[in-house]
Amino acid sequence: SAVISQKPSRDICQRGTSLTIQCQVDSQVTMMFWYRQQPGQSLTLIATANQGSEATYESGFVIDKFPISRPNLTFSTLTVSNMSPEDSSIYLCSIKRTGHYEQYFGPGTRLTVT
Amino acid sequence: TQLLEQSPQFLSIQEGENLTVYCNSSSVFSSLQWYRQEPGEGPVLLVTVVTGGEVKKLKRLTFQFGDARKDSSLHITAAQPGDTGLYLCAGAQTNAGKSTFGDGTTLTVKP
Repeated sequence: SAVISQKPSRDICQRGTSLTIQCQVDSQVTMMFWYRQQPGQSLTLIATANQGSEATYESGFVIDKFPISRPNLTFSTLTVSNMSPEDSSIYLCSIKRTGHYEQYFGPGTRLTVT
Repeated sequence: TQLLEQSPQFLSIQEGENLTVYCNSSSVFSSLQWYRQEPGEGPVLLVTVVTGGEVKKLKRLTFQFGDARKDSSLHITAAQPGDTGLYLCAGAQTNAGKSTFGDGTTLTVKP
């Protein structure tokens, strides 16, 4: 398993601004993922952020809107840029250890855009 | 595109009842996981199944992986209010990439 923390836990932001979400893991991991989730619904994968390579974005998500940094094996950030109310959601980071199937998740960041 | 369909989408039962949640796909997976998520938290891993026909028990929860590794079920015996949450299944074709998540089952257990 792993201990994963996210900052901030929640935020209320104005339309047109940007928010950077931080994800810290208590041990080194290669594979890290960023998800978006509407309350009570399933997870939508935004991108895969493996250390040492550029993030890979899923269909419908672009780097200009959701830039990701992965400076080392324990840390990543996701920025939600030029926010609109449609970006209001829960954002989750997740890790997967090499050779294992399971994913572990942070507690999430609840974002509200007004 | 690999899809995992869960049923039912919503389930509201009384404490003490039994229930089963299903996770179905047309794709074969090397492994399948079940997660439970409570409000304000991230999903928490409950179990991993990797062998077709495998059955795993976790206290009152019984997990089964289909023989063809395309489907799975989660059975809860004598449900308790603490079982309330969003249940997600997830399939992995390899251990080197992303998993496919089901669309979730929201369970409410009333006292």
